[in-house]
Amino acid sequence: LAKTTQPISMDSYEGQEVNITCSHNNIATNDYITWYQQFPSQGPRFIIQGYKTKVTNEVASLFIPADRKSSTLSLPRVSLSDTAVYYCLVGDLNGGTYKYIFGTGTRLKVLA
Amino acid sequence: SAVISQKPSRDICQRGTSLTIQCQVDSQVTMMFWYRQQPGQSLTLIATANQGSEATYESGFVIDKFPISRPNLTFSTLTVSNMSPEDSSIYLCSVGDRGRNFAEAFFGQGTRLTVV
Repeated sequence: LAKTTQPISMDSYEGQEVNITCSHNNIATNDYITWYQQFPSQGPRFIIQGYKTKVTNEVASLFIPADRKSSTLSLPRVSLSDTAVYYCLVGDLNGGTYKYIFGTGTRLKVLA
Repeated sequence: SAVISQKPSRDICQRGTSLTIQCQVDSQVTMMFWYRQQPGQSLTLIATANQGSEATYESGFVIDKFPISRPNLTFSTLTVSNMSPEDSSIYLCSVGDRGRNFAEAFFGQGTRLTVV
């Protein structure tokens, strides 16, 4: 399973766009990139998933360059409630494994 | 999507005792996993719970300390045996399922264990 590297922490202000970049140099051909969000005292929650290029949903966008060795989670106009830990995960979901090895995650703090 | 219920949600236990954590899923799922999350840390995979066979443990985790059962496709238990204060953590159950996205791993709310 590919190892991921992310910044340990980030601070932002309400209303700003936040970009969290994740490095996964050893990503395999069949691996997908998935981002999870975790609030205190809760289990991680799915945010977005992609394989290449750009994916957008109602809460975030995911940018993946052609070499797929990194990815960037973009959160538009963050609010205080977006304060959480964000995990970048890589895994061969097509194979039905669903097995994730978590990295350190990025602790995002949104300030008023 | 899968809905996961974990019991208990929290417990305070005496050292040397054991605690069994239950994970119930509202639908049949192929893959079930157990994670541990120590205070302020990331999640660490303990094992894959295999239906009808012995669990597959990750490096650093052994069956004698963390016996796991998986009697069917909707239920699993994790036992933390002979507990010490170092076992104080949040234990989370996770399942793999095909959600509205390509594939997702769903997590329970966790069991907060304090060993005194």
